[in-house]
Amino acid sequence: QSVLTQPPSVSAAPGQRVSFSCSGTSSNVGNNFVSWYRLLPGTAPKLLIYDNHKRPSGIPGRFSGSKSGTSATLDITGLQTGDEADYFCGTWDSSLSSYVFGSGTKVTVL
Amino acid sequence: QVQLQESGPGLVKPSETLSLTCAVPSLTITFGYSWAWIRQPPGEGLEWIGNADHSGRTFYNPSLRSRVTLFLDTANNHFSLNLTSVTAADTAIYYCARRWQFLTQEYFDQWGQGTLVAVSS
Repeated sequence: QSVLTQPPSVSAAPGQRVSFSCSGTSSNVGNNFVSWYRLLPGTAPKLLIYDNHKRPSGIPGRFSGSKSGTSATLDITGLQTGDEADYFCGTWDSSLSSYVFGSGTKVTVL
Repeated sequence: QVQLQESGPGLVKPSETLSLTCAVPSLTITFGYSWAWIRQPPGEGLEWIGNADHSGRTFYNPSLRSRVTLFLDTANNHFSLNLTSVTAADTAIYYCARRWQFLTQEYFDQWGQGTLVAVSS
């Protein structure tokens, strides 16, 4: 059972926007930076967002992150078929002394 | 783009030791970062296993600490994972990754493609 809670799935048509959350506590999301990762079967996972809202070089501006209190959010605008994947948030948990990941959200492009 | 490549047996018997290696051909592993292992059991989420850095410091997931050893082989520029006394619950895709950490910043910015390890007799 994951420490960080994400909705199991979200979906939208091409060109639309999806937004989903990563909920935690003051031991993790509330007091540490959150990062977001995309997992596609057979490929290396990719870092999309770090330090709550920063994008690594090469990640398009369609991906944006934010955080408020104990919840972080990933937004994907201008949805493309290539965005179909599983997305995970992650952060350090000070109580567990462990890096923890969210339960994962499957994005489907209708 | 830093390449990482996992290697190791795809099948391990219960109670034996799972050993994996991650090669980093495009970067010297003693330079600044630390190096991590993360796994994903079938149909489940990601689980952080632990990190090791060039100074020999290691940090392990408390749930796995009694069975895990991570170490860097600087002569061959790769890092390794040993997980002892495996059970079916250790069946997973195992990823190696480069980790950046400073104060409360922490993230994994480069990953390998992953290798599937099944535990079965």
